[in-house]
Amino acid sequence: GQQVMQIPQYQHVQEGEDFTTYCNSSTTLSNIQWYKQRPGGHPVFLIQLVKSGEVKKQKRLTFQFGEAKKNSSLHITATQTTDVGTYFCAGRGTGFQKLVFGTGTRLLVSP
Amino acid sequence: KAGVTQTPRYLIKTRGQQVTLSCSPISGHRSVSWYQQTPGQGLQFLFEYFSETQRNKGNFPGRFSGRQFSNSRSEMNVSTLELGDSALYLCASSLGRDIGFGETQYFGPGTRLLVL
Repeated sequence: GQQVMQIPQYQHVQEGEDFTTYCNSSTTLSNIQWYKQRPGGHPVFLIQLVKSGEVKKQKRLTFQFGEAKKNSSLHITATQTTDVGTYFCAGRGTGFQKLVFGTGTRLLVSP
Repeated sequence: KAGVTQTPRYLIKTRGQQVTLSCSPISGHRSVSWYQQTPGQGLQFLFEYFSETQRNKGNFPGRFSGRQFSNSRSEMNVSTLELGDSALYLCASSLGRDIGFGETQYFGPGTRLLVL
């Protein structure tokens, strides 16, 4: 079945440093979504990418969908303590397949 | 507009018991999905319902079941609880208009289940 892996599993950065998490699917995706889950909270939708090679920005966050639509990345520039949480990618294959969440990357930001 | 609500928020059960969790989606949303979240396994898909029909099912044993009512509210049931069923159970709703493509999932706060 479809598997979605994320690396790294965990990253601890100093405030102001950049951060990147990578998402890789075993199968081609029709689209990819990114979610953020704060400690003790629930996942909250950040963005969706649909087109091959698509790049979207949200303030300090940059999201990219790979050309082959099998991988994606989230880059945060100049991290802040409010960026702390676990970032999940989620992808759905073609057709009416289930949404599969990645393994998640936990980000810790020290002031 | 009210968000996704889940009841109960916390639950303690013993092995062998059964449990029913409830999810009320955002008004107007017709699709409801359930996920199990554990520290070791991450977010695992349980099932997805649309218009009272199960559209997708994850790789969980038959002890896990669900249903959706005509008002889009959903319940999931776990029978013969095992210690490994201890987890946060999350419900997410979406509009259901763009079925299977990529709608935003709005998550509820979850039900934290502890099996002793």
